[in-house]
Amino acid sequence: GAGVSQSPSNKVTEKGKDVELRCDPISGHTALYWYRQSLGQGLEFLIYFQGNSAPDKSGLPSDRFSAERTGGSVSTLTIQRTQQEDSAVYLCASSLVPQGQAEKLFFGSGTQLSVL
Amino acid sequence: GEDVEQSLFLSVREGDSSVINCTYTDSSSTYLYWYKQEPGAGLQLLTYIFSNMDMKQDQRLTVLLNKKDKHLSLRIADTQTGDSAIYFCALGVSGGYNKLIFGAGTRLAVHP
Repeated sequence: GAGVSQSPSNKVTEKGKDVELRCDPISGHTALYWYRQSLGQGLEFLIYFQGNSAPDKSGLPSDRFSAERTGGSVSTLTIQRTQQEDSAVYLCASSLVPQGQAEKLFFGSGTQLSVL
Repeated sequence: GEDVEQSLFLSVREGDSSVINCTYTDSSSTYLYWYKQEPGAGLQLLTYIFSNMDMKQDQRLTVLLNKKDKHLSLRIADTQTGDSAIYFCALGVSGGYNKLIFGAGTRLAVHP
């Protein structure tokens, strides 16, 4: 596709349920990032993929959060046993990882997650 | 860890210049970025500056970097209503990939 695509755009769930958020990066982009944007706060780094591996998952807030990437393309962020504090906009970004240059991240429009 | 601070809100009159400020604690970033987020949209890279530069100009945008004071600013000349958005300052953390540390964002409101 022309840009980074995320689905669903909105997700309302009940506390305790599991949710899956999907990201389709720009074709050919090897690097993929997940960020979380909470109201009135900056973007919080969650996890970074290079290809299918995740060399940096230091931002995942708890073991309820996990992510995978398959075929060097689509990524899924899974939140188990959701809590109200998980409510936020989850943003995905991808990039080409050029060497020695400013790395331009292309962001999707995000998934607005609301946990009731 | 790295801390990036921005004022949360800025209101300017159409046609005036806007200056959005950002301060940070870690000076090891190679690149510093400004991203723009319009309502309902993802973030869009606006401009960036290499850490060995003091200034970068790109049409109506001027980025100033004061490494001594750890201060980054974005000036938008002749601000238009279409510039109304949230502007995020971000620093690239070293490590071979672009893990960005973002500020909380400054909401720019442009009024007639």
